[in-house]
Amino acid sequence: DVKVTQSSRYLVKRTGEKVFLECVQDMDHENMFWYRQDPGLGLRLIYFSYDVKMKEKGDIPEGYSVSREKKERFSLILESASTNQTSMYLCASSPIQRPGTVNRFGSGTRLTVV
Amino acid sequence: ELKVEQNPLFLSMQEGKNYTIYCNYSTTSDRLYWYRQDPGKSLESLFVLLSNGAVKQEGRLMASLDTKARLSTLHITAAVHDLSATYFCAGCPYGNKLVFGAGTILRVKS
Repeated sequence: DVKVTQSSRYLVKRTGEKVFLECVQDMDHENMFWYRQDPGLGLRLIYFSYDVKMKEKGDIPEGYSVSREKKERFSLILESASTNQTSMYLCASSPIQRPGTVNRFGSGTRLTVV
Repeated sequence: ELKVEQNPLFLSMQEGKNYTIYCNYSTTSDRLYWYRQDPGKSLESLFVLLSNGAVKQEGRLMASLDTKARLSTLHITAAVHDLSATYFCAGCPYGNKLVFGAGTILRVKS
């Protein structure tokens, strides 16, 4: 079964810590995405990557950075975690755009910053 | 900039009843997606609608797309408890970048 795997389901970090969220996909997809999900706001795109070492800002990139050194792995980095970054983080991947292409999602990482 | 609005945000239904979730979007979208999310779980793809007038059905769920009105609907027929979940629609302004609505929390009561 094809998968998008996020390394942690739950994380608790302290304010000011540097936090790494890892995502790995085994489908050889070109595109990978990081979203955060907050109640009443749906999913909001933080960053996405359409190729190795390529990245684009999404709608809410402030306070985040990303790294894509290998095609299968996309990391989200919180340079200095703050309490307003407490959220559910979802990674997704998809192949190059084709009609009917569906993004596949990981199971999510619930991050709490204290 | 594409904006996606869903309504209602919360829907409590009796089993056996019909209801519709609406998804309006502000500008052109290549296609429209519907996803389901169960509590604590990831998003599961339900439908991808590619063109004006597209209609897709799976079990008790039917999705449609009207690109002229910039409206997609998710119709629930004869609801059952197993349909309780949060439903998201998402538009696609370009590539595979998705813009999501806030989600509709559906609770089906027996």
